Amino acid sequence: DTGVSQDPRHKITKRGQNVTFRCDPISEHNRLYWYRQTLGQGPEFLTYFQNEAQLEKSRLLSDRFSAERPKGSFSTLEIQRTEQGDSAMYLCASSLGILAGDPSSYNEQFFGPGTRLTVL
Amino acid sequence: KNEVEQSPQNLTAQEGEFITINCSYSVGISALHWLQQHPGGGIVSLFMLSSGKKKHGRLIATINIQEKHSSLHITASHPRDSAVYICAVNYGGSQGNLIFGKGTKLSVKP
Repeated sequence: DTGVSQDPRHKITKRGQNVTFRCDPISEHNRLYWYRQTLGQGPEFLTYFQNEAQLEKSRLLSDRFSAERPKGSFSTLEIQRTEQGDSAMYLCASSLGILAGDPSSYNEQFFGPGTRLTVL
Repeated sequence: KNEVEQSPQNLTAQEGEFITINCSYSVGISALHWLQQHPGGGIVSLFMLSSGKKKHGRLIATINIQEKHSSLHITASHPRDSAVYICAVNYGGSQGNLIFGKGTKLSVKP
């Protein structure tokens, strides 16, 4: 299966600990997105990369959150000093990105299975 | 206030019924997506559309740009259609990230 993969699928941690999640996008996709989804809500945008460049960050992404995509392939999302409010499903998605010269051509996003974080 | 509103929030149907889920949004968009999320979290893209209508099997998605409204229809519903259906949009000024509705939880009873 060459879809988007995320690791781990579940993470339980104690408040104050650091956690790191990994996302492997579809190999030819140059755009990678991170979203967060809390129970009963739709996902919310956190940040996205075009290749290795982090182009946009939501104000939801506090200083305790950092994301990287060092070689333009896989990405990591780290949460430092976790809080109970960080408990959520963290979703990664990838896409081919906007076609050159056609900013209206947003491509379909393919989602990974998510990482469910529980902070005790 | 969510910029993408879905209705209904919850929907229970009998197998075989025709189902409609609605989505409205507040400003101009470049594309609208319908997504399906099963228990456990995995999200699957059903449709991406910017005008008109698309059909795939028993699923039909329509969009009215002037009215800023889209509908997802399921014909001859089946218990395996039970899932959360999420509407999401790319706004014209965004960089491709999606703005999501809260989802519609559909339960189809046999």
